[in-house]
Amino acid sequence: QAHLVQSGTEVKKPGASVKVSCTASGYTFTNYGLSWVRQAPGQGLEWIGWISGDSGDTHYAQSFQGRVTMTRDTYTSVAYMEMRSLRPDDTAVYYCVRVLGPTRDYYHMDVWGDGTTVTVSS
Amino acid sequence: DIQMTQSPSTLSASIGDRVTITCRASQNCITWLAWYQHKPGKAPNLLIYKATDLEGGVPSRFSGSGSGTEFTLTITSLQPDDFATYYCQQYYTYPWTFGQGTKVEIK
Repeated sequence: QAHLVQSGTEVKKPGASVKVSCTASGYTFTNYGLSWVRQAPGQGLEWIGWISGDSGDTHYAQSFQGRVTMTRDTYTSVAYMEMRSLRPDDTAVYYCVRVLGPTRDYYHMDVWGDGTTVTVSS
Repeated sequence: DIQMTQSPSTLSASIGDRVTITCRASQNCITWLAWYQHKPGKAPNLLIYKATDLEGGVPSRFSGSGSGTEFTLTITSLQPDDFATYYCQQYYTYPWTFGQGTKVEIK
């Protein structure tokens, strides 16, 4: 049974960086990708980007380009999302989500992590 | 970017009602569309993928239809566990985009 466990709650000041981890288990990490999705308080879901569990290839939403970096460690089956220059409107729950294939083809997301709350406040 | 627009934004319904949620895309998504159920404090849950395919373990009262730019999620007989917010999401092209959500409330 596939399972994604994320790192704990983070509180950051504006301008700081945060790195959230997502540990995968129950499946072959390199056969899938991972996306990151966030939900700000009272808002809907927003897709941040995607990383291949196999090649490490990435694609980021334009609104996060230059501010976010996604990486993965295939030996430990852990994916990371680092966001820099945090602003108060980055306050949100951040989810990692498994993607059904390792390439940019038409794969949907299925298994969601439990979410990491990131609060950005001075 | 492909804009996804759901209607209605809020829906009040009773147990046993048939519920239909519509999702319109600003561009053709073929059938690369998924539906998720989201409850407060929990992770979203995949219901439907490729517009019509039911995810394993999801009750058969949920169904999806549509292609191109218009898609529908139907719940044939609303159950107490179904009160939640529902999102459509296209994965035809980057950036992947979600609808704004439809909250299903108790009437």
